[in-house]
Amino acid sequence: NAGVMQNPRHLVRRRGQEARLRCSPMKGHSHVYWYRQLPEEGLKFMVYLQKENIIDESGMPKERFSAEFPKEGPSILRIQQVVRGDSAAYFCASSPQSGTNTGELFFGEGSRLTVL
Amino acid sequence: DAKTTQPTSMDCAEGRAANLPCNHSTISGNEYVYWYRQIHSQGPQYIIHGLKNNETNEMASLIITEDRKSSTLILPHATLRDTAVYYCIVRNNNAGNMLTFGGGTRLMVKP
Repeated sequence: NAGVMQNPRHLVRRRGQEARLRCSPMKGHSHVYWYRQLPEEGLKFMVYLQKENIIDESGMPKERFSAEFPKEGPSILRIQQVVRGDSAAYFCASSPQSGTNTGELFFGEGSRLTVL
Repeated sequence: DAKTTQPTSMDCAEGRAANLPCNHSTISGNEYVYWYRQIHSQGPQYIIHGLKNNETNEMASLIITEDRKSSTLILPHATLRDTAVYYCIVRNNNAGNMLTFGGGTRLMVKP
């Protein structure tokens, strides 16, 4: 059973470009979470999605950032017009549907964004 | 979710038990204690969780005080590969699965 898959693992963008990070949850998981970790800092929650729905986006910056989890395909975290301060590791996690809520999140290995 | 307090860093000798404390004095009755760890540059990894009883699995043991205001994660025989940042998180399981990570404890296992 494959774990949470994130790609790309490393992404380099110039200021003003767009970054798209993809996350495929574990098989059978319908909940996806995105976290950001700035260099030498802790993990900060960004957004929580279920299939086709954003449940909680309280940690998402109001501008330039968006997330989706379509009915088919991976979850996408999109950052428009990137700035140097967006350089970070972006981690995706998944969990089964809420009926089996144990609080255990399964994390991917992260996507490391570098903005030049 | 209740706030947790952990030491910033700890050292442990290889092969010895690592005891990582966590204070959560404002925990409420329906909040669980979770432990995760993050080995350098990797994604966080679930270790163990509990409500009020002590718990043990293949990775670690979790000891929760009777008043639930603090807990200790025990790695019985620490190895160099256990060097990581360990996060203690308190969460209400009825509030969705989102976890709030604090600063954690940076455990350094030394040979």
